[in-house]
Amino acid sequence: ETGVTQTPRHLVMGMTNKKSLKCEQHLGHNAMYWYKQSAKKPLELMFVYSLEERVENNSVPSRFSPECPNSSHLFLHLHTLQPEDSALYLCASSRKANTEAFFGQGTRLTVV
Amino acid sequence: DAKTTQPPSMDCAEGRAANLPCNHSTISGNEYVYWYRQIHSQGPQYIIHGLKNNETNEMASLIITEDRKSSTLILPHATLRDTAVYYCIVRVAGGGTSYGKLTFGQGTILTVHP
Repeated sequence: ETGVTQTPRHLVMGMTNKKSLKCEQHLGHNAMYWYKQSAKKPLELMFVYSLEERVENNSVPSRFSPECPNSSHLFLHLHTLQPEDSALYLCASSRKANTEAFFGQGTRLTVV
Repeated sequence: DAKTTQPPSMDCAEGRAANLPCNHSTISGNEYVYWYRQIHSQGPQYIIHGLKNNETNEMASLIITEDRKSSTLILPHATLRDTAVYYCIVRVAGGGTSYGKLTFGQGTILTVHP
C-alpha cells in the first residue's frame, strides 16, 4: 500500500463511451502524474500537475483529458478512445521535485 | 535527463545477493540515481535513490561509482517475491519543467529462482 489509490482497477469501455479514471492521495504531496504503460513498452509520462496546475502535457491526444480539482485528487477523463489506447494507466504523486514518487496500482483499461 | 543502460535480464538464486548494474555515463552533477521495480501488472515501487554517496535502506543498497557514471543496486538476500522488472532512472533535482518526472526505460527483468 503506497497511499495512492486508483479506481477502478479494471475498466472495459466501448469506443463511443465516456469514462473517468480516479486517483487519490492523502500523503500531502504537491505533484501528481498520469503514466501510460502499453504492453511490452516502457512507462510513458502523460501529464504532470504541480499544485493543481498542469505543468506538462506530453503530446497526449485530446481524447484524454486530465483534471486536478485539488491537490489530493486527479482524474483522467476518457472519450472516443481507440483500441490501441488499451493499457495500464498509472497515477503517481510526489512531495516535491527531488523526492521519490509513489505509484498507485493502476487501472487496466480495455477499449473494445 | 540522462539516459541509462541496463541488461535486459538477470537470474539470481534465492537467498543470494542480486547485483543489478546500470550505466549512466552522461549523468549531470545535479541528477540523482533512482531505482524502482515493477512486479507484474502492478504499479512501480520506489526502492532507493542517491546522488553520489552509497545508500542503504531496508530494501536494498545502492553503490554509485566515484565518477557517477554507473551504479549497482544490491538486493542482499533475494527472495522469489523480488522477481520483477527493475528500473534505473536518473533525474534532475529541483523544480522547473522537469518537476518530479521519471523517464522509464526497458529495465532489467530479474528472475529469482529456487
